[in-house]
Amino acid sequence: EVQLVQSGAEVKKPGESLKISCKGSGYRFTTYWIGWVRQMAGKGLEWMGIINPGDSDARYSPSFQGQVTISADKSISTAYLQWSSLKASDTAMYYCARFHYYGSGGTDAFDIWGQGTMVTVSS
Amino acid sequence: QSALTQPASVSGSPGQSITISCTGTSSDVGGYNYVSWYQQHPGKAPKLMIYDVSNRPSGVSNRFSGSKSGNTASLTISGLQTEDEADYYCSSYTSNNALVVFGGGTKLTVL
Repeated sequence: EVQLVQSGAEVKKPGESLKISCKGSGYRFTTYWIGWVRQMAGKGLEWMGIINPGDSDARYSPSFQGQVTISADKSISTAYLQWSSLKASDTAMYYCARFHYYGSGGTDAFDIWGQGTMVTVSS
Repeated sequence: QSALTQPASVSGSPGQSITISCTGTSSDVGGYNYVSWYQQHPGKAPKLMIYDVSNRPSGVSNRFSGSKSGNTASLTISGLQTEDEADYYCSSYTSNNALVVFGGGTKLTVL
């Protein structure tokens, strides 16, 4: 079964660092990109960025550039999203999703989603 | 403000058909056939329903269909069922500074 399994919920204080993970299984991890999507409570989906696990080429939404870092370790089929200094406004659900890069012959969309990681930042 | 514009809500009765619009510009929806649609039930992860404007992934009901005219893409759900009640999001490639843009989402209520 093709799936993405994300790390568990986190509760952090402002200023702390955090790295959440997304582990792929059931497919060749380096064949597809992995994207990260934020969803704040009661709000819509926001694209944060994507990474090619094969060569760690990462692309960011201008809204999130410099605010987060996306990385991947292809040896363990895992992608990461990290913050160096959390803010209360980072409180949200974060989803990873498998992404067929545009024009690569796939769906040109996010076709497999993780279950989400809830991040709460509060003093 | 979302890059793609969707109605905040739509509603329909079981058995009816509804259409959700997604309006962008020639830099995204109008310029490329890379529009996708996602369904999200409360407390659940999104699910891909339509890709490349009008293609359905394996396992998605043929009651769901997509189309595009100019800068506006549409998702049509025919034969509405109670389980279709969910939030729906469109997404597109964009040639602007970003790569991916989402719509603000539409809440579908099945009355």
